Amino acid sequence: ETGVTQTPRHLVMGMTNKKSLKCEQHLGHNAMYWYKQSAKKPLELMFVYSLEERVENNSVPSRFSPECPNSSHLFLHLHTLQPEDSALYLCASSPDLNEKLFFGSGTQLSVL
Amino acid sequence: GESVGLHLPTLSVQEGDNSIINCAYSNSASDYFIWYKQESGKGPQFIIDIRSNMDKRQGQRVTVLLNKTVKHLSLQIAATQPGDSAVYFCADDSGGSNYKLTFGKGTLLTVNP
Repeated sequence: ETGVTQTPRHLVMGMTNKKSLKCEQHLGHNAMYWYKQSAKKPLELMFVYSLEERVENNSVPSRFSPECPNSSHLFLHLHTLQPEDSALYLCASSPDLNEKLFFGSGTQLSVL
Repeated sequence: GESVGLHLPTLSVQEGDNSIINCAYSNSASDYFIWYKQESGKGPQFIIDIRSNMDKRQGQRVTVLLNKTVKHLSLQIAATQPGDSAVYFCADDSGGSNYKLTFGKGTLLTVNP
């Protein structure tokens, strides 16, 4: 275990649904991240939080909405997604920005 | 745009052999490089990193070599084991900071018993 837990592991949703992905880290880290991993494409950085403040919003569509209520939890709220949003969504944390990333196992999302 | 890529998408080796996974990068200003391993059903796991002021760095059974002249990075795994079977990613800081890593697409390493 990496100390970063993501739920659910798998999620199937329709384009009109609203769902949320959850990430929790037990490492005492100050920075948390959302990445998207699509088949045959490199990992794409979506959002970065440091001490609960968003420091990066990497041109992500507004149908993805992150939330960081405290330094241990990170959410990704999903609304009216498209089939091309189907991917593995990975959460990561690091002690501070610019330090090594610790990844969770991801949520495999399928949008129908 | 700048990118990090890999020479080979797949690599198959015999158990006990040494493995070499290659990576090319395009941003000459990249200062930090990192290798991750991703096993099936898991997230990426840190293996080893290196800064541009070094040519070589060794870990446990792994060595990273950096050739800045040709902008080439490699990961060497000694005495490859079945547990080494995974996708290996290289990444660099061409995004402008360590937390804005640019990842390659990955190389699938298969270890045959």
